[in-house]
Amino acid sequence: EVQLVESGGGLVQPGGSLRLSCAASGFTFSSYWMSWVRQAPGKGLEWVANIKQDGSEKYYVDSVKGRFTISRDNAKNSLYLQMNSLRAEDTAVYYCARDLMTGSGLNWFDPWGQGTLVTVSS
Amino acid sequence: EIVLTQSPGTLSLSPGERATLSCRASQSVSSSYLAWYQQKPGQAPRLLIYGASSRATGIPDRFSGSGSGTDFTLTISRLEPEDFAVYYCQQYGSSPVAFGQGTKLEIK
Repeated sequence: EVQLVESGGGLVQPGGSLRLSCAASGFTFSSYWMSWVRQAPGKGLEWVANIKQDGSEKYYVDSVKGRFTISRDNAKNSLYLQMNSLRAEDTAVYYCARDLMTGSGLNWFDPWGQGTLVTVSS
Repeated sequence: EIVLTQSPGTLSLSPGERATLSCRASQSVSSSYLAWYQQKPGQAPRLLIYGASSRATGIPDRFSGSGSGTDFTLTISRLEPEDFAVYYCQQYGSSPVAFGQGTKLEIK
């Protein structure tokens, strides 16, 4: 069974940092692009970042560029999101998702993890 | 940047009825690269449809997608109790990928 399990969420003060992890199983992790997608409380979905199979390409939504860093460890079947300089507007459930790609490198998502809640508040 | 607008915001129907959900794009979606997801309270989104009309693995055939260009539709032919949820469309034809704001399908 394909499974993604996130961890690392919690309460952090504005300006603080947090590192999210996603453990993958049931598929060849190193063969897929992977993404982080977030959902603010009561709101819709927003793609945050994705990373190529070997980590050589990374893309971010404008609102997190320079603050968030996506990475992966294929030996550990794990995806990470390092979040620095956190703001109240970063408060959301963060989902790890496997990318399915078009030939032009754009993506849809299947499956998704259960999510981990990040709350940025003083 | 493509903006997706879903309608209606809330749809109230009874089990056994037919549901029609709309997703309209601000520009044409390349190659009908549009997906639909279902999200139940407290759960992660689940992929239903990709490529505008292809059902994902394990999705019942009462779910169908159609459309092209700027207008797309998700149809649920006969609602089952477990189908009441929030539905999101997503375009992946141009960068950045984007989601609609969602349609809540509730029991009447």
